[in-house]
Amino acid sequence: DAKTTQPTSMDCAEGRAANLPCNHSTISGNEYVYWYRQIHSQGPQYIIHGLKNNETNEMASLIITEDRKSSTLILPHATLRDTAVYYCIVRGGGADGLTFGKGTHLIIQP
Amino acid sequence: ETGVTQTPRHLVMGMTNKKSLKCEQHLGHNAMYWYKQSAKKPLELMFVYSLEERVENNSVPSRFSPECPNSSHLFLHLHTLQPEDSALYLCASSQGLAGATWQFFGPGTRLTVL
Repeated sequence: DAKTTQPTSMDCAEGRAANLPCNHSTISGNEYVYWYRQIHSQGPQYIIHGLKNNETNEMASLIITEDRKSSTLILPHATLRDTAVYYCIVRGGGADGLTFGKGTHLIIQP
Repeated sequence: ETGVTQTPRHLVMGMTNKKSLKCEQHLGHNAMYWYKQSAKKPLELMFVYSLEERVENNSVPSRFSPECPNSSHLFLHLHTLQPEDSALYLCASSQGLAGATWQFFGPGTRLTVL
């Protein structure tokens, strides 16, 4: 069973910030929140991950609520090349790999 | 070469053939993974290797046989596959298995079984 819930699809205008929500209400204390994206028929690309604090890197920002039950991935200035399926994953480590759900299909509109 | 490479990128095989998929990581990682992505289905973890030892076999049929000769290379040997095994096979690597460790994926091998 998926540990996360994401909207099936979202649209965003080019140049605007894309905010992708994720619910993970059953997250455990030792589980990290990961975001990956997959452009059609390519390998998934790591974006960002976090445990409790908000995180930012050159690609995106990750905002995690204080109770850790939800998070938002922010792409600050979306471009057409950001059109992809975005996966929110929770993982606690060990030999369990990554459990991918259906993700959010983000479509950037020109 | 950088990152994770996979060869071949595309493979068409008959049900009686034997073929192998190859993955090589150039990141100095010590854990490697095989995932399967069928059409319209989420990625499924198949195998996990850590320090060249298999640590996870996710109920994969025996017609798929992994091999990890060293920390940089991972193979998936295929024999007597079925048409429903047609999928995108993805390799990934990471430094360790801890929760804070992200995985780096290769481009995948698109497999078609006739």
